[in-house]
Amino acid sequence: DAGVTQSPTHLIKTRGQQVTLRCSPKSGHDTVSWYQQALGQGPQFIFQYYEEEERQRGNFPDRFSGHQFPNYSSELNVNALLLGDSALYLCASSHRTPVSEKLFFGSGTQLSVL
Amino acid sequence: RKEVEQDPGPFNVPEGATVAFNCTYSNSASQSFFWYRQDCRKEPKLLMSVYSSGNEDGRFTAQLNRASQYISLLIRDSKLSDSATYLCVVTSLSGGYNKLIFGAGTRLAVHP
Repeated sequence: DAGVTQSPTHLIKTRGQQVTLRCSPKSGHDTVSWYQQALGQGPQFIFQYYEEEERQRGNFPDRFSGHQFPNYSSELNVNALLLGDSALYLCASSHRTPVSEKLFFGSGTQLSVL
Repeated sequence: RKEVEQDPGPFNVPEGATVAFNCTYSNSASQSFFWYRQDCRKEPKLLMSVYSSGNEDGRFTAQLNRASQYISLLIRDSKLSDSATYLCVVTSLSGGYNKLIFGAGTRLAVHP
């Protein structure tokens, strides 16, 4: 049983570019949450998707957008990249809500913006 | 003020020591509480949930004080393999849905 998978594992971009990160949830999970973790900080909630809709959102600008597909996989898109967007981006999957069950994280995508 | 605040660390302790981490949260409406462990450059993994009555899992004991909005994690008989960052996590209700709010983490280094 595959856990949460993310791709790519590492990515290097330049300022102003756009990036798309991908996530496949654990089998049986239907909810995907995205987090940004800067060096030395805890993960910061970006947004959560359920039934192909953004269910809630953290304090991130509109440059950050996402999508969930019918097979529950998800994408995170970031436009007009800034140096400060350099971070580890984590995807977490759960069933319906992240509280009643254990939240499973993928190993993340390390994004470097130069 | 951050929603979840933790001891900054790092904590450097010898094997066998007992170490305690503290965490405070600002949202009195938070319903669920967790400790996650994160190894360097890896994803966070759930260590244990935290209940009002306190709970224990082997060498790990977690306590919750709702009145003080305070959470703790006690590790007894530290092992080298306990070296990691420990993240305090609380839930935040928004728009009818819960999301997890992470603290910045406390780094633990256990040495021989």
